[in-house]
Amino acid sequence: EDKVVQSPLSLVVHEGDTVTLNCSYEVTNFRSLLWYKQEKKAPTFLFMLTSSGIEKKSGRLSSILDKKELFSILNITATQTGDSAVYLCAVGKFGTASKLTFGTGTRLQVTL
Amino acid sequence: KAGVTQTPRYLIKTRGQQVTLSCSPISGHRSVSWYQQTPGQGLQFLFEYFSETQRNKGNFPGRFSGRQFSNSRSEMNVSTLELGDSALYLCASSLTGTGLYEQYFGPGTRLTVT
Repeated sequence: EDKVVQSPLSLVVHEGDTVTLNCSYEVTNFRSLLWYKQEKKAPTFLFMLTSSGIEKKSGRLSSILDKKELFSILNITATQTGDSAVYLCAVGKFGTASKLTFGTGTRLQVTL
Repeated sequence: KAGVTQTPRYLIKTRGQQVTLSCSPISGHRSVSWYQQTPGQGLQFLFEYFSETQRNKGNFPGRFSGRQFSNSRSEMNVSTLELGDSALYLCASSLTGTGLYEQYFGPGTRLTVT
């Protein structure tokens, strides 16, 4: 059975801190790994990583994919209170089109 | 470009009733996937439609069904509602549904079954 595990489950940091969120996966025929940010509404797309794009960066957020060790990390530098959200990791497979398997998420709270 | 839209946003039904939820994908997107999100189970895949054909189905009972129209809009139906069906139902659209493109989520429909 496909498995996506995120850690930690929750995290509280002070504004300005750097955080690292982890996502490990066990899936057959891995194709892509996606990160989403979810506040009180729909998940917002952050990054998609594949074998042809194992490192992505956007502003203070960056992510890498280690296909050998089967994990990904999401880094957020200089955190702001607006970064408070649940961060979701999802994995797509070859042969299953758009189906994504999600982890349970990491709840990040950034305090002043 | 407008995002994914879902209607209605909130719904309250009683056990035994049925419900239909609607999703309009981003213009030009042809793949629509549906997910159920609950506090206990997280986000779970229901099914995916592409060019009016269901291509994948998750592990949900037959009470959950869906369809897609020629304009890529999709509907999801749940019959004989149970209390455990209370959840946030999210749809996501993608350009081709090959897994090569990102999926963008709509705001969701919050279904409460009493």
